[in-house]
Amino acid sequence: EDQVTQSPEALRLQEGESSSLNCSYTVSGLRGLFWYRQDPGKGPEFLFTLYSAGEEKEKERLKATLTKKESFLHITAPKPEDSATYLCAFQGSGGYQKVTFGIGTKLQVIP
Amino acid sequence: DAGVIQSPRHEVTEMGQEVTLRCKPISGHNSLFWYRQTMMRGLELLIYFNNNVPIDDSGMPEDRFSAKMPNASFSTLKIQPSEPRDSAVYFCASSLGAGQGDQETQYFGPGTRLLVL
Repeated sequence: EDQVTQSPEALRLQEGESSSLNCSYTVSGLRGLFWYRQDPGKGPEFLFTLYSAGEEKEKERLKATLTKKESFLHITAPKPEDSATYLCAFQGSGGYQKVTFGIGTKLQVIP
Repeated sequence: DAGVIQSPRHEVTEMGQEVTLRCKPISGHNSLFWYRQTMMRGLELLIYFNNNVPIDDSGMPEDRFSAKMPNASFSTLKIQPSEPRDSAVYFCASSLGAGQGDQETQYFGPGTRLLVL
């Protein structure tokens, strides 16, 4: 069965301390790898879609990268407002495939 | 632009009662998804509609759950009878449609927090 695993489950950073979140997946063919941000009490907010190994996308302090078996969300010089849960999801290729979400990484950035 | 709209935002009910959750997708989006989120299992797909037709309902837990999409701008998820284990946050999401690339990016509503006592 296709699976997605996110690590760490929780991460506490000092403001300005860069780090990376990991998303590993097992699927025979990948149509898309998605990153979402979820704030407490709100719905997931779309960040990025990656389609092929080697692809990178950036938005402000966030950069997402993709290899054949995992994706990283790099956070450069984070600020307290970056505190949220970051969800990774993938969609397999070939006809209809549902999007499978990971449990998420809860990030806390301390001033 | 209005995003996905869900109502109610919070629902507290007693076991055995009927619960109806409502969703209005983003205008022009042809695909609609209902998800359930819990701490233990994360986000789980319940049902997926494309052009108002249910395509995948394999995630619907049991016969107590039903979903309808009578038109392109409205969907409901009904639980009857409700049970305490149904307590969760229910999200509706929509996308432009089935296809390739960014058409399939899903945009989520704010969710309905359901508590069944």
